[in-house]
Amino acid sequence: AQSVTQPDIHITVSEGASLELRCNYSYGATPYLFWYVQSPGQGLQLLLKYFSGDTLVQGIKGFEAEFKRSQSSFNLRKPSVHWSDAAEYFCAVASNFGNEKLTFGTGTRLTIIP
Amino acid sequence: ETGVTQSPTHLIKTRGQQVTLRCSSQSGHNTVSWYQQALGQGPQFIFQYYREEENGRGNFPPRFSGLQFPNYSSELNVNALELDDSALYLCASSLAGRVNTGELFFGEGSRLTVL
Repeated sequence: AQSVTQPDIHITVSEGASLELRCNYSYGATPYLFWYVQSPGQGLQLLLKYFSGDTLVQGIKGFEAEFKRSQSSFNLRKPSVHWSDAAEYFCAVASNFGNEKLTFGTGTRLTIIP
Repeated sequence: ETGVTQSPTHLIKTRGQQVTLRCSSQSGHNTVSWYQQALGQGPQFIFQYYREEENGRGNFPPRFSGLQFPNYSSELNVNALELDDSALYLCASSLAGRVNTGELFFGEGSRLTVL
């Protein structure tokens, strides 16, 4: 069964500083990997996704993520955070065939301080 | 703004009652998935509907059931409510064959509190 681990429950970063959110997955084959963001009281918005090819993927709002098969990781990065980036971030994995359900991690809450 | 609308946004029920949550999918989308998000947790897949048929189910008991209508809107029904059913219920719409490309469009959810 596929699973996702986000080891950091809460991260606090100063505005303008760099950010890295960690995600480790467990899946037997090549996974489909995603990062979603959830602002308070909102649904989830897709930031970026990885299926194959270039292991560094670019997303919206200046985010990027790197797929490292050897480490079973898909960490999310941003070089300079803005106050509006404060939100909950979820990593998710899906199988690449059949029933397409997303398995989400427990999320990382990002707080931005001035 | 994803074009996916859910109702009601908030509701309170008591144990043993039944609840129906509704979702209107984005225009042109024929697949609807439902997720349960408990407080402090990530969303968990409940089930998916495609062309009015259930097309996959997560680890949820049969008292969680759903419907999809010809216009692709959907309902989630939960019978015999338990306290642990308190959660944010998220609906996501997509176009068939594209779900596992991550192109899910989520509504803002229905927050259910069971007392």
